[in-house]
Amino acid sequence: DTAVSQTPKYLVTQMGNDKSIKCEQNLGHDTMYWYKQDSKKFLKIMFSYNNKELIINETVPNRFSPKSPDKAHLNLHINSLELGDSAVYFCASSQLARQNEQFFGPGTRLTVL
Amino acid sequence: GQNIDQPTEMTATEGAIVQINCTYQTSGFNGLFWYQQHAGEAPTFLSYNVLDGLEEKGRFSSFLSRSKGYSYLLLKELQMKDSASYLCAVRDNGGYQKVTFGTGTKLQVIP
Repeated sequence: DTAVSQTPKYLVTQMGNDKSIKCEQNLGHDTMYWYKQDSKKFLKIMFSYNNKELIINETVPNRFSPKSPDKAHLNLHINSLELGDSAVYFCASSQLARQNEQFFGPGTRLTVL
Repeated sequence: GQNIDQPTEMTATEGAIVQINCTYQTSGFNGLFWYQQHAGEAPTFLSYNVLDGLEEKGRFSSFLSRSKGYSYLLLKELQMKDSASYLCAVRDNGGYQKVTFGTGTKLQVIP
């Protein structure tokens, strides 16, 4: 009965590769998010989707492309991976109209070699 | 935009009380959150303040002063399991209510 799940939990890859991270929530929320947490533990919003529509798009390289096939899923595809992309990526969800808290997934630790 | 400041690290003794401060500057304010994050885990929600005053929830309380751009998280009867990072986050009042997180305060509870 996991609320927000992400796969994979760990991802180790070479520079220049393309990889995807998947996220699913079973809370019935209408809004989903991707955050990046760097080595200094700073949690920064990347993207947000509401009902499959992109509503927040921070200054993120266009190598990062989110995709939301439905309200319960938000995937993140990263092209041409760079060393600086190494971080923990968290997916989260909330109900926008009642956004009193966000529920976070367990995180995906991406290491680019 | 949002600018959020918290102390980087704090140490406190088991059984004691600790107060973690957060100050913010924002172009539009619609609520302040506190999240707890244990090492290697996801952030989990602790508290939410949108009006001035103190919100109490068990051993944890959170205070907000909107006029001063200031909040604190108060942890009482500290336990070893309270060792974690505590993230202050501010929500703006735009249509999509973006939440911006501070850099977090790493709290170490010692015996």
